[in-house]
Amino acid sequence: AQSVAQPEDQVNVAEGNPLTVKCTYSVSGNPYLFWYVQYPNRGLQFLLKYITGDNLVKGSYGFEAEFNKSQTSFHLKKPSALVSDSALYFCAVTIWSSASKIIFGSGTRLSIRP
Amino acid sequence: KAGVTQTPRYLIKTRGQQVTLSCSPISGHRSVSWYQQTPGQGLQFLFEYFSETQRNKGNFPGRFSGRQFSNSRSEMNVSTLELGDSALYLCASSLLSGGAPSTDTQYFGPGTRLTVL
Repeated sequence: AQSVAQPEDQVNVAEGNPLTVKCTYSVSGNPYLFWYVQYPNRGLQFLLKYITGDNLVKGSYGFEAEFNKSQTSFHLKKPSALVSDSALYFCAVTIWSSASKIIFGSGTRLSIRP
Repeated sequence: KAGVTQTPRYLIKTRGQQVTLSCSPISGHRSVSWYQQTPGQGLQFLFEYFSETQRNKGNFPGRFSGRQFSNSRSEMNVSTLELGDSALYLCASSLLSGGAPSTDTQYFGPGTRLTVL
């Protein structure tokens, strides 16, 4: 069975500092991994995804994520946080199968203080 | 290109009633998925439609149903509402460019917030 874990409910970072939002996964097979962001009273917005190839994936708004197969992780990172990055972040995992479903993590609330 | 639209944005119903939510996908997108978001359970997959056919279903009771029309617009229906059905219901569309449905990038609408009293 597929599963995804976001071990931190909340991450607090000062503006200008680097940020990391953690995600680990468990699948049978090759994973497809996603990061989405949700702003208050809004739907989710796609940030980036990993399918295959380069382990470092670059996405929207300066975010990037590193796929680490040995640690089954897909942590989201940004070199310099902005106050506007404050939002709820979701990691998701699936596999290539006509019957597969996408599973979302529980979400991590990112708070950037000025 | 217009994004995914959902109507209505807010709904208040009472227990036992039924409700229908609507979703219009991005033009050209053929797959529509529905999710329920609650503080306790997080984001949970309800079902996915493609070409008017339900291709995948989550672990929800039969009170939750949906359909897709020939123009890819989708509706979901919840009958005999319970207090626990209060949630943000999100619709997402994807192009289905050749991969399995769940591997496509999904584009989400703003959601319909349902409150059951």
